[in-house]
Amino acid sequence: NAGVTQTPKFQVLKTGQSMTLQCAQDMNHEYMSWYRQDPGMGLRLIHYSVGAGITDQGEVPNGYNVSRSTTEDFPLRLLSAAPSQTSVYFCASSYSGGGQETQYFGPGTRLLVL
Amino acid sequence: QQPVQSPQAVILREGEDAVINCSSSKALYSVHWYRQKHGEAPVFLMILLKGGEQKGHEKISASFNEKKQQSSLYLTASQLSYSGTYFCGTRGHPGTYKYIFGTGTRLKVLA
Repeated sequence: NAGVTQTPKFQVLKTGQSMTLQCAQDMNHEYMSWYRQDPGMGLRLIHYSVGAGITDQGEVPNGYNVSRSTTEDFPLRLLSAAPSQTSVYFCASSYSGGGQETQYFGPGTRLLVL
Repeated sequence: QQPVQSPQAVILREGEDAVINCSSSKALYSVHWYRQKHGEAPVFLMILLKGGEQKGHEKISASFNEKKQQSSLYLTASQLSYSGTYFCGTRGHPGTYKYIFGTGTRLKVLA
């Protein structure tokens, strides 16, 4: 199993550009989520999904879109990048209940918006 | 609101013990604990689902008091490999999947 994979590992954008951060998991997990982590800070939930076709907003959803057309993939779209979106983005997945909610995190995407 | 962790940072010598606390202003259904090393992704340590439940993982254990909305992580006989930042992740009730992470505790273990 590859676990949770994220691409790209690092990206530089100019203000106003759009891009998609890719996330995929091969563990058949129902739950997937996106977090951002700013320097010296904890993780803040952006969006999450409990299954294909079902998404919901987290703490900091503004400026980001998600969709979940398959169980495996959960891409995060930045609509119009802003310097405030400079951060490290982590994708995570887990089973969605029954005490099996261990979240497995991907390696992260480091995003710099100029 | 983010759960508050205390202390913010702690330095230990190998073999010493530490306690990290996580306090929420909201009711909790479950608490997860993670460790993150610099430049890496967080790694799951354990999940606590019931009030007063205590779990152990090698020399790391945790308790969860749902009435006080608090969880504590106990590190005994610390090893160099325990160094990193520890986060609690909380979930308010079984119907929500909005995990809210704590402020983090930086732990450094010295030889």
